[in-house]
Amino acid sequence: AQTIHQWPVAEIKAVGSPLSLGCTIKGKSSPNLYWYWQATGGTLQQLFYSITVGQVESVVQLNLSASRPKDDQFILSTEKLLLSHSGFYLCAWSLRGAGSDYTFGSGTRLLVI
Amino acid sequence: GDSVIQMQGQVTLSENDFLFINCTYSTTGYPTLFWYVQYSGEGPQLLLQVTTANNKGSSRGFEATYDKGTTSFHLQKTSVQEIDSAVYYCAMREGNAGAKLTFGGGTRLTVRP
Repeated sequence: AQTIHQWPVAEIKAVGSPLSLGCTIKGKSSPNLYWYWQATGGTLQQLFYSITVGQVESVVQLNLSASRPKDDQFILSTEKLLLSHSGFYLCAWSLRGAGSDYTFGSGTRLLVI
Repeated sequence: GDSVIQMQGQVTLSENDFLFINCTYSTTGYPTLFWYVQYSGEGPQLLLQVTTANNKGSSRGFEATYDKGTTSFHLQKTSVQEIDSAVYYCAMREGNAGAKLTFGGGTRLTVRP
């Protein structure tokens, strides 16, 4: 069975500090991977996607970056956090076929103060 | 670009009431449509996938229909229960392997006992 694990579960960080969030998918070879962001009470906004190791496409510019160092790992990071980065970050995976649904992780709740 | 409009932002019902949520979509391609449910503090999870126009999908007492003519899709449940309280999202993925999953704004359902 496939599992998706996100870390950390929650973070409180200062404005201007760096951030690194991680996501690992087990039990699925070469999945498509995604990062989503959700403001409190808001909808889900896709930030990045990756269809293969080493390749990441940006969907929305939010002063964040993403990397896929391994087939089963997706990292979201920034060197300087902004207040507007607060929210709920979700990692997801899907099969490569058109029309496949996404499976989401449990998310990381980030508060920037 | 692709877009999904979800009409009702908040719905409050009593137990055993009828639920109906409506979404419209816009795309130049051939979409696959989804309904996701998100419980407080968790990532969204797939509730239903609807791939054929005018056909129904069903899960956990929920039914989804899709009308290609009006580019709309609906989620309904005959008799909601308190445990159904959550945020429901309609979503669309266009029919190519690289297409992203686009979410509607979400409907927060509160079911009173």
